Parts: sequence; structure tokens; C-alpha cells
Amino acid sequence: DAGVTQSPTHLIKTRGQQVTLRCSPISGHKSVSWYQQVLGQGPQFIFQYYEKEERGRGNFPDRFSARQFPNYSSELNVNALLLGDSALYLCASSLGTGNQPQHFGDGTRLSIL
Amino acid sequence: KNQVEQSPQSLIILEGKNCTLQCNYTVSPFSNLRWYKQDTGRGPVSLTIMTFSENTKSNGRYTATLDADTKQSSLHITASQLSDSASYICVVTYESGGYQKVTFGIGTKLQVIP
Repeated sequence: DAGVTQSPTHLIKTRGQQVTLRCSPISGHKSVSWYQQVLGQGPQFIFQYYEKEERGRGNFPDRFSARQFPNYSSELNVNALLLGDSALYLCASSLGTGNQPQHFGDGTRLSIL
Repeated sequence: KNQVEQSPQSLIILEGKNCTLQCNYTVSPFSNLRWYKQDTGRGPVSLTIMTFSENTKSNGRYTATLDADTKQSSLHITASQLSDSASYICVVTYESGGYQKVTFGIGTKLQVIP
């Protein structure tokens, strides 16, 4: 079975640009979460979606937004990119929002020049 | 101050030895506390999940414990292998203002040497 897939794997943008990252969850998983991991740090929670509704939100500015589609895939959008947005963006899926294991993709490495 | 603090920051042990990683948290109560293993350049992999009422959970050579009174969790690795070299991250999930929140520790970087 396919795991969580994220695209693209690597991306280079310049300051001020906008970016869209994509995530396909494991088949049957209805919850998708997004995390930002700066080099050398632990991941920071950005959003959680379940059944196309936002169920969790971390402390990120409004430049960050996300959505979940009817097929449970998800997109993370970041506007007006800053140098500090350079990070590994991780997506995780789970069956629901409770105490089920989260399965992570290998992330999208975003570099801002 | 981070709500989840881990120690030590890094650790080197000999193959075959045991080790224990610590996680201190301030969030209470919480929905669950998880331990993840993250290899360099890869996404984290779930090792254990404990609810607020549980105090131990095992997954092969990994055993996590939870002490709600002292707000501490530990991850014990038995008979370490070279493949255990990775970062180990403690994560607490809780409810706040009707929203789910997730807080990660910075991780403990473990290196197992022959």
C-alpha cells in the first residue's frame, strides 16, 4: 500500500512569491495534518483537517492556509514567502483525529532565496 | 519556555547497550503523548502513543512510560542497534479553545556506534 505522498520533494522560491504544497494521505485516512520543520528543530504544528474541515491550528500567520479535498488530499499554501519560511514541510495522515497513529510523508524541502 | 522539553539533546551509546530518553511537559491534561523516530531527511515514524491515563506502552525494543504526577515521559531502548541512530521526538496533543493543538519537543539525537 502507498504511504503518505508529498509533492514536490524539493522547491526553490524567492521572497514574496507564493507556493502550494500537496499531500495525498494513505487510502482510508480522513485526517491530514501539516507541520513545518526548520533544520535542527522539532516540527511545528500548522494545521489539521478532518473530513474537509479545519480541526486544529498552530501559531502561524495568515500567510499560511490549507484545504482538504473530497478525496481527502490536501494542499498547503504559503503567500508572501519570507526567508524564514525555508524548512521541511511535513504532511501526516491518520484515520481520525483521536489517538490513532499518524503516518508521515518524507516532506517537501522548501528553500527561499 | 517550550511546553515539551527533551533531554539529553544528544547521546552516543555502544551497540547492544540500553538507553533512556526523557521528556518533560507542562501541558496537562492532554489527549495523547507520542514518541517518534526520525531518520535524517525522512518523516517521523510513530513508535508509541499513550493517553493521559496510560503509564506504559511497548513496541518491540521500545518502551515508553508516562508519569502524570511529575509530568514526565521516558523512552527506553533495549539492546540498541546501529539502525536506532536517529532523532527521537516527544509530542503532546491537547485541546485548547475547541481546537486541537500539537507540541513537539526538539528531539534527542541518538547515535549508536559499533
